[in-house]
Amino acid sequence: AQSVSQHNHHVILSEAASLELGCNYSYGGTVNLFWYVQYPGQHLQLLLKYFSGDPLVKGIKGFEAEFIKSKFSFNLRKPSVQWSDTAEYFCAVNPIGGGADGLTFGKGTHLIIQP
Amino acid sequence: EAGVTQFPSHSVIEKGQTVTLRCDPISGHDNLYWYRRVMGKEIKFLLHFVKESKQDESGMPNNRFLAERTGGTYSTLKVQPAELEDSGVYFCASSQVFTGELFFGEGSRLTVL
Repeated sequence: AQSVSQHNHHVILSEAASLELGCNYSYGGTVNLFWYVQYPGQHLQLLLKYFSGDPLVKGIKGFEAEFIKSKFSFNLRKPSVQWSDTAEYFCAVNPIGGGADGLTFGKGTHLIIQP
Repeated sequence: EAGVTQFPSHSVIEKGQTVTLRCDPISGHDNLYWYRRVMGKEIKFLLHFVKESKQDESGMPNNRFLAERTGGTYSTLKVQPAELEDSGVYFCASSQVFTGELFFGEGSRLTVL
């Protein structure tokens, strides 16, 4: 079965710092990849997704992620974080043609931005 | 457009009792999913409906959990009898097509004492 590993469970940064959250998955076939975000008191929402094509994808609020197939990675980046980016971030994988129907999520990363 | 709504937002019950969680997907979304997050752990897939049919229920923990989606609209997830380890946040999500882009509700937090 596929699995998703997020390297950091808690990250604390100051405003304007650069952000990179690691995500690796284990599945040998084709995958769709996602980053979801949950702001305090809100529902999970899609930040960005990769299905095919350009491996560098851009999402909402200045976030981007790069799919590196050889490394089974889909790291999330943002050049300059803001206090409003404080949230929990989830990487998720949907294998194409295999595994359960649903997304497989990582354990999440709590990101705290200090003003 | 209304999003995915879940009810109740929080339920506290005693071990052995029954709880029913409800999910109303976005109108027109044939795909409906249930997920669960136990504290400190990852969000785990429970099952997937396409309209009223269970497409995949491989994530359901055991037969104390029963999900239904009569008429292909809203869905219920019943836990009977509840155990301590059932505590967690139950998320519902829906999608129009099976693209993997899911729209989530705010979750129902279940606490079993």
